[in-house]
Amino acid sequence: DSGVTQTPKHLITATGQRVTLRCSPRSGDLSVYWYQQSLDQGLQFLIQYYNGEERAKGNILERFSAQQFPDLHSELNLSSLELGDSALYFCASSVEIDYEQYFGPGTRLTVT
Amino acid sequence: AQSVTQLDSHVSVSEGTPVLLRCNYSSSYSPSLFWYVQHPNKGLQLLLKYTSAATLVKGINGFEAEFKKSETSFHLTKPSAHMSDAAEYFCVVSASGGSGNTGKLIFGQGTTLQVKP
Repeated sequence: DSGVTQTPKHLITATGQRVTLRCSPRSGDLSVYWYQQSLDQGLQFLIQYYNGEERAKGNILERFSAQQFPDLHSELNLSSLELGDSALYFCASSVEIDYEQYFGPGTRLTVT
Repeated sequence: AQSVTQLDSHVSVSEGTPVLLRCNYSSSYSPSLFWYVQHPNKGLQLLLKYTSAATLVKGINGFEAEFKKSETSFHLTKPSAHMSDAAEYFCVVSASGGSGNTGKLIFGQGTTLQVKP
């Protein structure tokens, strides 16, 4: 158990819908990262927050957004969902930028 | 820009024999390198990390990796494979160094390790 929690574990929804994925970092970790794992793209960095502020963006679609709240938990919002958004979404946290990252168990999103 | 290349998409070994998973990296700066493991239907677990201290890095579960700058390699090894080692292994470089340091991770495509009884 890494200490990073993600909810829900599984999510099944229809195309065009909007979902919110939640992540609670390890106690004391200030940096939160979101990654997407799909069969065709592999593991890809989406976005990073550090102490409430967006720090870096990767291959994140405009339909996707995220935020980190004052209590340091983070949410990833995915809207206008398409079949291709079906993937495993991981959250990771680290105590500071460029320290080792610990991953949550992931949220498996299935878009039908 | 940083990148990693895992040279084998699939490696099969017999239980009790050595494991070698190969990784080459490219980085403009002194890299931070990691190996993560993902068991079926599980999250990613950190096996070990290299951050410019000792070039031979020891990790969990008997794994180790050697950083070779001249070869830009960071291969993962284990002397004796166990059935429980069967999983997907990812070589990872941190996008650190230079301006705009973020620490975001760049993953290789993964190597599936099969362990035969």
